[in-house]
Amino acid sequence: GEDVEQSLFLSVREGDSSVINCTYTDSSSTYLYWYKQEPGAGLQLLTYIFSNMDMKQDQRLTVLLNKKDKHLSLRIADTQTGDSAIYFCAVRTGGGNKLTFGTGTQLKVEL
Amino acid sequence: GAVVSQHPSRVICKSGTSVKIECRSLDFQATTMFWYRQFPKQSLMLMATSNEGSKATYEQGVEKDKFLINHASLTLSTLTVTSAHPEDSSFYICSARTAHGDTEAFFGQGTRLTVV
Repeated sequence: GEDVEQSLFLSVREGDSSVINCTYTDSSSTYLYWYKQEPGAGLQLLTYIFSNMDMKQDQRLTVLLNKKDKHLSLRIADTQTGDSAIYFCAVRTGGGNKLTFGTGTQLKVEL
Repeated sequence: GAVVSQHPSRVICKSGTSVKIECRSLDFQATTMFWYRQFPKQSLMLMATSNEGSKATYEQGVEKDKFLINHASLTLSTLTVTSAHPEDSSFYICSARTAHGDTEAFFGQGTRLTVV
């Protein structure tokens, strides 16, 4: 089955850019997502990218997809304290409905 | 975006009792809903996929007699934790996909279950 990995922790200073990385194993993955989870809350969809795209930009968020290396990244420009949260990448494979989630990256933004 | 509402957000129950968690799609019809469990500082583990009008499909290792799922309408799915034990304490999150089967899944705010 699909295996999705993320680094567990990232610390950045306010105003810097954050880059959160994700790797996956199934090359037939179709949609790849980034979700944000604040403490005690559900998941908020931030953005997603279809597998035939290399990049997607949405305001402060930039998603890069390297299909050859099965590597996905989320860049947050001008990171703010309100961006502190856990970020999950998730992968949808083939024609199925299931999402496989990564382990989550705890982003800490310091003043 | 579409809104998914979970209720209750927090529940404390005694061992041996049953607890029902509701997941509602408020402004769209959800033919498919998903139930996840999240342990502290861990990722989401899919428990089951619920399709309206049919039996849920459970992931390997999930006891279907313990975690009863009902998806009786296009806007409501329920998860009942039967004969709850302290090890069932967890954060349960549902998500829903629209009838168009589009790219996005919308998540509820989660339910914190504590079994004492």
